[in-house]
Amino acid sequence: AQSVTQLDSQVPVFEEAPVELRCNYSSSVSVYLFWYVQYPNQGLQLLLKYLSGSTLVESINGFEAEFNKSQTSFHLRKPSVHISDTAEYFCAVSGTNAGGTSYGKLTFGQGTILTVHP
Amino acid sequence: DAMVIQNPRYQVTQFGKPVTLSCSQTLNHNVMYWYQQKSSQAPKLLFHYYDKDFNNEADTPDNFQSRRPNTSFCFLDIRSPGLGDAAMYLCATSIGLGYGYTFGSGTRLTVV
Repeated sequence: AQSVTQLDSQVPVFEEAPVELRCNYSSSVSVYLFWYVQYPNQGLQLLLKYLSGSTLVESINGFEAEFNKSQTSFHLRKPSVHISDTAEYFCAVSGTNAGGTSYGKLTFGQGTILTVHP
Repeated sequence: DAMVIQNPRYQVTQFGKPVTLSCSQTLNHNVMYWYQQKSSQAPKLLFHYYDKDFNNEADTPDNFQSRRPNTSFCFLDIRSPGLGDAAMYLCATSIGLGYGYTFGSGTRLTVV
């Protein structure tokens, strides 16, 4: 079984301040990690993903996340946020059990609402 | 642009009246998923298709059914909607394990 815990349900921050959204996971042999962003009344958009290789992954809009296997974490960071970053952010994990075929089912965390104030 | 399209964006249905939500994709992805997302909650997987192979989650109510007549289309049928079924329904596609999902914009279902 796999699970995701997002440690903060809401994160308020001022514009141009740094932010970290925390995510811890538990999973079996192989793990793939994702961050999705959801704006009000819209679907989820992929922000970034870790599949293998470099543990630091970046998105095109300044977010980055670091895969830490020893701490089973995949925290999302941005050094300077904008008003337009206000949204809900979901961490998700997919993977396979040994000998299983999960077809890439994602398990989501509960979400973190990021609110950027002027 | 290749994408996942959900229709309608907003759906109002009466208590107990069957309703169908639709999803289409131009990505030619093998896997299609239906998620239910209630207010302030994480999306919850209802079922998915790998090609024509249907996979139901153990806790998905019998009230929910799905059809995938071809690669491009997938439908979610709610046979007798209750007030508790009001939610955002998200369709997603994937080429396979580990590639991440492409989501549609969702259909917000209201039951009156």
